[in-house]
Amino acid sequence: GAGVSQSPSNKVTEKGKDVELRCDPISGHTALYWYRQSLGQGLEFLIYFQGNSAPDKSGLPSDRFSAERTGGSVSTLTIQRTQQEDSAVYLCASSRLGQSYEQYFGPGTRLTVT
Amino acid sequence: EDKVVQSPLSLVVHEGDTVTLNCSYEVTNFRSLLWYKQEKKAPTFLFMLTSSGIEKKSGRLSSILDKKELFSILNITATQTGDSAVYLCAVDPYNTDKLIFGTGTRLQVFP
Repeated sequence: GAGVSQSPSNKVTEKGKDVELRCDPISGHTALYWYRQSLGQGLEFLIYFQGNSAPDKSGLPSDRFSAERTGGSVSTLTIQRTQQEDSAVYLCASSRLGQSYEQYFGPGTRLTVT
Repeated sequence: EDKVVQSPLSLVVHEGDTVTLNCSYEVTNFRSLLWYKQEKKAPTFLFMLTSSGIEKKSGRLSSILDKKELFSILNITATQTGDSAVYLCAVDPYNTDKLIFGTGTRLQVFP
């Protein structure tokens, strides 16, 4: 089946605008993760969804960041009032229940805030 | 605070060389250590290591874990230009499903 997909692949926005990034996980994967990767940095965990449980939001850097996952499938990461330091590649990954070690990553969305 | 440290940050070699990438960690409730290869945007899974001293091997790539000294190495023999990528190390703790990533090692292999 298809892998993890993300859209858009690239997004350029002006400082202060809101953006929405979308992730479509692999069918049957109950776990979904969002990461951020700034230039030259490793992956920074943002948020984790597991089935119907409350999401683990401990990695969200500020209250401008939020995410939801509708129907246990597609997820949207929203960044409000974007700042230049939000510029990064946002990666989504999914995995089977209890197999967080084998996460399948999407191609990412490159966000540039001007 | 849990952390994963990779070294070197970058490495430039010629085709045919052998390279060793290092990953050290400080994590409570260690469950496993993972290696990923990131060529453009999406990391791809390489190895999962849970036990000390048992080498995992896939073609020219191999990896081993030392849980006493808290580190792992990733070896690539007879490197090829297609090995050029960022290699990410991550640790999977027991008490959470969040992976903790290192900053990666950028490997460049020139002909």
